Amino acid sequence: AQSVTQLDSQVPVFEEAPVELRCNYSSSVSVYLFWYVQYPNQGLQLLLKYLSGSTLVKGINGFEAEFNKSQTSFHLRKPSVHISDTAEYFCAVSDRGGYQKVTFGTGTKLQVIP
Amino acid sequence: DGGITQSPKYLFRKEGQNVTLSCEQNLNHDAMYWYRQDPGQGLRLIYYSQIVNDFQKGDIAEGYSVSREKKESFPLTVTSAQKNPTAFYLCASSIVGYQETQYFGPGTRLLVL
Repeated sequence: AQSVTQLDSQVPVFEEAPVELRCNYSSSVSVYLFWYVQYPNQGLQLLLKYLSGSTLVKGINGFEAEFNKSQTSFHLRKPSVHISDTAEYFCAVSDRGGYQKVTFGTGTKLQVIP
Repeated sequence: DGGITQSPKYLFRKEGQNVTLSCEQNLNHDAMYWYRQDPGQGLRLIYYSQIVNDFQKGDIAEGYSVSREKKESFPLTVTSAQKNPTAFYLCASSIVGYQETQYFGPGTRLLVL
């Protein structure tokens, strides 16, 4: 079974500053990793995903994440945030092979301060 | 436009009442999912279905029931056995075998009167 840990429940950051949202996972097998974004009172939208290949993954809205197998991490980064990035961000993991359910983290609320 | 619709946006339940949440998709996806979202707990899987007339329990299925009579529809019933139903409910769909990329509906917020 896999699990995901998002240690930061809230991250305040000033507009145009860089941000990193942390995600660590555990699994006994190879995994797929994802980041989803949720704007208030809306569903989730896929931001980016790591399936295989390059460990640096670029997503929508200028976000990117780096898969680090040795540290079992998949941190999300953006070099310069905008007010419109204020949302909740969920890291998720799925074991490879066959049907494997997706396990979501508890979420990190990004608050961009003008 | 393809997508997932959920209705209603807000739903109120009285004690002892069953309520049904609607989820419809026109993405031609075989797999559909129901999640429950509570503050600080992320998303928890209630039920999922990979094909019509078949569905599986997720992590927190107690007090819930589903049906999958049509590919496009996956309604969720919150029964009176669910003692703490207040939450935000999200429906999602995906291509079978590609469950890592799920498309989510806008959600239904269920409140108990």
